[in-house]
Order: sequence, then C-alpha cells, then structure tokens
Amino acid sequence: QVQLQESGPGLVKPSETLSLTCSVSGDSITRGVYYWSWIRQSAGTGLEWIGRIYTTGATSYNPSLKSRATVSADTSNNQVSLELASVTAADTAIYYCARENGGHYWDLWGRGTQVTVSS
Amino acid sequence: IQVTQSPSSLSASVGDRVTITCRASQSIVTSLNWYQQKTGKAPKLLIYGASNLQSGVPSRFSGSGSGTEFALTIDSLQPDDFATYYCQQPFTRTFGQGTKVEI
Repeated sequence: QVQLQESGPGLVKPSETLSLTCSVSGDSITRGVYYWSWIRQSAGTGLEWIGRIYTTGATSYNPSLKSRATVSADTSNNQVSLELASVTAADTAIYYCARENGGHYWDLWGRGTQVTVSS
Repeated sequence: IQVTQSPSSLSASVGDRVTITCRASQSIVTSLNWYQQKTGKAPKLLIYGASNLQSGVPSRFSGSGSGTEFALTIDSLQPDDFATYYCQQPFTRTFGQGTKVEI
C-alpha cells in the first residue's frame, strides 16, 4: 500500500531554513493523478496548508507564508521536499506530507514530524 | 474563504447521535471535506465533496449540506469515534478550528 514518511531535523534555529523530506513508497509521485502537499499543525494556528507540487513540477503556496516556502520533487528517489526560510518560533509545529486527490482533498497522510524552532 | 465549526467541543455517550456543523464565509457549493484526528495521529479523511464517504469509513458517518451550511453526523457513536473532527474547504485549503468529541 502507499505510504508517506516525513524526515528531517527536529530542531531548527531562528532565522535558519527548515528542510524536510517526504519519502513516498508504493506509488510514483510522477503519476499524473495526485498533488503532493505539506500541511502543518500547531496549537496556535491549528491545521494550515503550506504548499503543494504536481507531477508537472507546478507548485502553489499559502499566501500567508509570504514566499518563505518552497516545495520540490526528487523523482529519481520518489521524494517531495519542503524548505521554509527565515523560521521563527511561530513555525514550531508538526509537519505532515499528504497526498491530494484531484486538487480537492487529502486522502493519505504521513505520520508527521515535530519541528521546534529554538536557539 | 473561511470555515467555522460548531461546537468547539461536545460531550456524548456511546450510542448517541452526534452532529457537527461547519459554516463557510461564502458559498462553496458542495466542496467540503471532513477529517477525524486522534491524539498523536495524522488527520484521516472521512467525507469528501460534502457527502461522499471515503473508502473504508464506517457507514455511521455521513455528511450533508451545500452552499454555506454543512454537517457531519455520527449515528450511534462508538468508543473509537472519540476524537477531534475538522472540516476543510478546498478553494483556499483552509480548515475549521476543530470539534473535540469527548465522553
């Protein structure tokens, strides 16, 4: 079955760049049916969509992140990545990758990874 | 487009019928999704397109509504259903603030 697994540092210093990877198994991220999204959850802001990438490489982002986010794909390793620049304590959250079906809903989620921003 | 859920929490017993509502700030036709989240776990899709049951989800869950008013109903609440529920609209990909269903 298809599985998503997030990985990356659990601690990032303020003003640095947060980098996470989502490894997809059981399906190819190049199959032209799904988008691949990053979503985060914190006690302060709840669930918040960050951005997504399609098989063509086209991306879209939540405007509230003010261009700090970059989502990319490594098709040779079947991975999707997230970079979030200039982080602050407000970026402390659990980060999930999720499969978006037809651009309408997320039908498969990774387990999530906790990221804390602190010096 | 914002979505607002109510109530923010509720207490119920096994066997109860529970209804959670979600209101959109403007018409989203039938484009509303519902998720269940248990403590320490990722959200799980229950209902998409307002009323379509995701594969593998028990039939005691149902969704209804259109325009700006939507509802998630759980018939005969089971012990496994105590969790937090979120609505989500796909146009700007925003979530409601959640409804915690407690014993």
